[in-house]
Amino acid sequence: QKEVEQDPGPLSVPEGAIVSLNCTYSNSAFQYFMWYRQYSRKGPELLMYTYSSGNKEDGRFTAQVDKSSKYISLFIRDSQPSDSATYLCASRYYMDSNYQLIWGAGTKLIIKP
Amino acid sequence: DAGVIQSPRHEVTEMGQEVTLRCKPISGHNSLFWYRQTMMRGLELLIYFNNNVPIDDSGMPEDRFSAKMPNASFSTLKIQPSEPRDSAVYFCASSRDRYEQYFGPGTRLTVT
Repeated sequence: QKEVEQDPGPLSVPEGAIVSLNCTYSNSAFQYFMWYRQYSRKGPELLMYTYSSGNKEDGRFTAQVDKSSKYISLFIRDSQPSDSATYLCASRYYMDSNYQLIWGAGTKLIIKP
Repeated sequence: DAGVIQSPRHEVTEMGQEVTLRCKPISGHNSLFWYRQTMMRGLELLIYFNNNVPIDDSGMPEDRFSAKMPNASFSTLKIQPSEPRDSAVYFCASSRDRYEQYFGPGTRLTVT
């Protein structure tokens, strides 16, 4: 079992819909949670990060962390075709004097015009 | 800022040849990461450096892979000899104090 689980999709929704992307993690030591967006043939780019449980909002994007259930979510409001990409979640924890970053497999999102 | 720079962007080589991938991190960043991405295995961390020192190379698949960081502005990942199963996209990323990582555009490697 991977430490960060993410459904690879693809997830296809119509333009304007609310999108919900999710990850689960298994290690309670994970402290820091990030969402990256990767367009086809490009490198991943940081979208949002959060440390604590609760919601963090940035424009049309909301990151949500529930540490009690070890669940991470990314919501996209008013989805646009330009949001079509692969979304990767990542979790970070501190072990053996080093930070470890654990990646999900990525969910491919398709927004249909 | 120019972002993380990688070269070459594409590399096609024959099995058994040596391949060298290059990375210039963002100025002021002190951590550098090499990743490999494939459809089957997703994004895999190969090695990371902090202040030019290799910290964790447990992801390097085998002795055919080696990485160096001679100074704060340059790193290489070398595969010798290359094999078809090494075909993948290789990303370099950098960060300041191992927080948010910023990725380069990647090198698409094809070994025939």
